[in-house]
Amino acid sequence: AQTVTQSQPEMSVQEAETVTLSCTYDTSESDYYLFWYKQPPSRQMILVIRQEAYKQQNATENRFSVNFQKAAKSFSLKISDSQLGDAAMYFCAYMGDTGRRALTFGSGTRLQVQP
Amino acid sequence: EPEVTQTPSHQVTQMGQEVILRCVPISNHLYFYWYRQILGQKVEFLVSFYNNEISEKSEIFDDQFSVERPDGSNFTLKIRSTKLEDSAMYFCASRGSGRVKETQYFGPGTRLLVL
Repeated sequence: AQTVTQSQPEMSVQEAETVTLSCTYDTSESDYYLFWYKQPPSRQMILVIRQEAYKQQNATENRFSVNFQKAAKSFSLKISDSQLGDAAMYFCAYMGDTGRRALTFGSGTRLQVQP
Repeated sequence: EPEVTQTPSHQVTQMGQEVILRCVPISNHLYFYWYRQILGQKVEFLVSFYNNEISEKSEIFDDQFSVERPDGSNFTLKIRSTKLEDSAMYFCASRGSGRVKETQYFGPGTRLLVL
């Protein structure tokens, strides 16, 4: 079974600084998809960024980028120029390309942004 | 931009009562999901639905739960006899076809409290 591990329960960053959130996963599949979702206090799940495992190029979305290391099964999220609105829970999630196509989530990292 | 909607946003019920949570997925999406998140915990997969039948369910999704797509737009989750431990946030998600068909888009959630 796939597992997703987020080893940082909480992180803090100063406004305008850069922060990296870690995620590792375990799978025997060769094709899969990885996601970062943001959950603000409203508890809505908002997609931040996605990465296809077959793509070597790291995904970027404005201030958000990932460092995808397939061999190491690592998928970290970098937030540049942090803003107060970035404060939220961040969940890393995995979805296989065959068989089970539901998302497997990590336990989350709570990000605080200090003014 | 199309979005997943869920009703009600909050529901309070007595233990043993039946509840129905409603979702309207994005209109051209084909795959539908229910997840739940107990307060302070990770998001957990309940069930996936495709082509008018359950395609996969987790061990959480026991006989107390059922899903239905009663018409072309709604997707419902029924809990037959609620327990205290069913108190959680319930998220509906959908995904479709095309370039980003693997991405699941979440609704805002229904916060269920069982007393």
